[in-house]
Amino acid sequence: EAQVTQNPRYLITVTGKKLTVTCSQNMNHEYMSWYRQDPGLGLRQIYYSMNVEVTDKGDVPEGYKVSRKEKRNFPLILESPSPNQTSLYFCASSAVSWNTGELFFGEGSRLTVL
Amino acid sequence: GEDVEQSLFLSVREGDSSVINCTYTDSSSTYLYWYKQEPGAGLQLLTYIFSNMDMKQDQRLTVLLNKKDKHLSLRIADTQTGDSAIYFCAETVNYGGATNKLIFGTGTLLAVQP
Repeated sequence: EAQVTQNPRYLITVTGKKLTVTCSQNMNHEYMSWYRQDPGLGLRQIYYSMNVEVTDKGDVPEGYKVSRKEKRNFPLILESPSPNQTSLYFCASSAVSWNTGELFFGEGSRLTVL
Repeated sequence: GEDVEQSLFLSVREGDSSVINCTYTDSSSTYLYWYKQEPGAGLQLLTYIFSNMDMKQDQRLTVLLNKKDKHLSLRIADTQTGDSAIYFCAETVNYGGATNKLIFGTGTLLAVQP
């Protein structure tokens, strides 16, 4: 089954404790992206990747890191989480870079930073 | 900058038609999309329309695009309780070359009353 898998789905952590949210897709997609969803703000892009070893900042990259060592994986790293990073995070992928609107989304990871 | 706006909430009775509206600012948008987010799930692409089209119909869904007014709407005929979800409008903006960016609206919560 074609899917985007995120882990963990739920996480409560404390300020400053490094964490990684993993994202994996089994569709051989080139394009992958991370979004955060906050009430009243919709989805905002954090980072995206056009292909292996090619990543770039989205609209709200501060406090986040990503890597794309393999085509299928695109982890999101929070080196020193802060309470303003409490949010619902989505990973998404797309088959072709030029038309990044046809995105396949993971089920989301709800992160709470205390 | 680019901006996509939607009303936050819409309530309809089962069997009625729902119309969700969206306005966008970037006139260079090539594709415009409607995504659906059911509770506890990721976003799922519902339908999309190319910018040179005025209308697209897909079963119970009708998308209308008014490029002059930069207005996009999604009409759901015979709305069912299973249509209750958050609906996101999104536009693809091209920054030149192969780089596209997807801008999401804030989402409209559709509540269907039995």
